[in-house]
Amino acid sequence: AQSVTQLDSHVSVSEGTPVLLRCNYSSSYSPSLFWYVQHPNKGLQLLLKYTSAATLVKGINGFEAEFKKSETSFHLTKPSAHMSDAAEYFCVVKDFGNEKLTFGTGTRLTIIP
Amino acid sequence: GAGVSQSPSNKVTEKGKDVELRCDPISGHTALYWYRQSLGQGLEFLIYFQGNSAPDKSGLPSDRFSAERTGGSVSTLTIQRTQQEDSAVYLCASSPSLLSTDTQYFGPGTRLTVL
Repeated sequence: AQSVTQLDSHVSVSEGTPVLLRCNYSSSYSPSLFWYVQHPNKGLQLLLKYTSAATLVKGINGFEAEFKKSETSFHLTKPSAHMSDAAEYFCVVKDFGNEKLTFGTGTRLTIIP
Repeated sequence: GAGVSQSPSNKVTEKGKDVELRCDPISGHTALYWYRQSLGQGLEFLIYFQGNSAPDKSGLPSDRFSAERTGGSVSTLTIQRTQQEDSAVYLCASSPSLLSTDTQYFGPGTRLTVL
């Protein structure tokens, strides 16, 4: 069975400081992992995905995530936060052979000017 | 190119009425998915279609929910005898195939409010 836990429901950082959004997953098989972002009143947009290639994945807008199998983690990071990064972020897992995405509960990122 | 589109963007209905929500996937995408995003439940899978195969309905919450996909393209999600707990944002996504590595592209959603 696949599941995902986002450890923080809300993260606040100052503009220009690093961002860390934590995600742990559980998967029976070789998983694909995704981070999606949802801005207010907008649809879900893919930030990046891991599909068993390089463990460090680079996405759009300067975000990256590292797949750590030993820790079952897929944390999202960005070196320097921008005001436009304020949004809800979802960590998502998909088991190999399972067509359904399982979403975490989301982390709301607030950027302090 | 055009992304996934959904209509209507907002729907307000009275308890007990039937509603239909429409999804137009990205052209050429063979897989189509419906999800529901509600307060307290997060994002949950409802149903998916792949080409002409029988859909996986395992996520539908009750028999009041049904969906069809005509001609392998447009999909309609129907909720009969709506209840207040059906209030949510209904999201549609499509992907090129059912490969596990394929990205699902989401539409803007339909916000359903049941009074």
